[in-house]
Amino acid sequence: GENVEQHPSTLSVQEGDSAVIKCTYSDSASNYFPWYKQELGKRPQLIIDIRSNVGEKKDQRIAVTLNKTAKHFSLHITETQPEDSAVYFCAAYPTLSGNTPLVFGKGTRLSVIA
Amino acid sequence: NAGVTQTPKFRVLKTGQSMTLLCAQDMNHEYMYWYRQDPGMGLRLIHYSVGEGTTAKGEVPDGYNVSRLKKQNFLLGLESAAPSQTSVYFCASSYSGEANEQFFGPGTRLTVL
Repeated sequence: GENVEQHPSTLSVQEGDSAVIKCTYSDSASNYFPWYKQELGKRPQLIIDIRSNVGEKKDQRIAVTLNKTAKHFSLHITETQPEDSAVYFCAAYPTLSGNTPLVFGKGTRLSVIA
Repeated sequence: NAGVTQTPKFRVLKTGQSMTLLCAQDMNHEYMYWYRQDPGMGLRLIHYSVGEGTTAKGEVPDGYNVSRLKKQNFLLGLESAAPSQTSVYFCASSYSGEANEQFFGPGTRLTVL
């Protein structure tokens, strides 16, 4: 089945710097890659997603890139702010596995230092 | 439109007790999921449902049972709680199992003594 690896597990950046979180997946047939943000004590919420027919997607300060050949995708946050501090989860949808749900990575705890 | 709601928000059990966690969604979603999240850990799928009357095992199903008698509700049962089941439980729902956003509930914090 699909396996999603996420790195790093923790990341600290200075306010205003960029942050990059990387994920790799194993199932070459996966075609949907969302990113969820979970603030302390809150529920995970979708912040951006990308489908396999595009290589990059941007939404203000966040962007996601996808390299299907290498089977990895990344979340980029520019001009980081304290409110970006949270745990970020990547996920992949294994299309050929029938009704199998999203497979999540183990998460990255991002700390933005003011 | 309440989205996904969970009952209760907090619960403390003694080892061996039983309880049921209720998840409800008002978005007419077909798919529903139960996850557990241990401190500092990721989301682990317990069970999920692809429609009313159906259930399937996830990554960590042992010690849990589920039922989906109504499309809008997904129940998670612990028959004999153990300290290892101390966790935060999240319910989620999605329109389908394909490339669609999962909407999460606020979570239930369960402590088993």
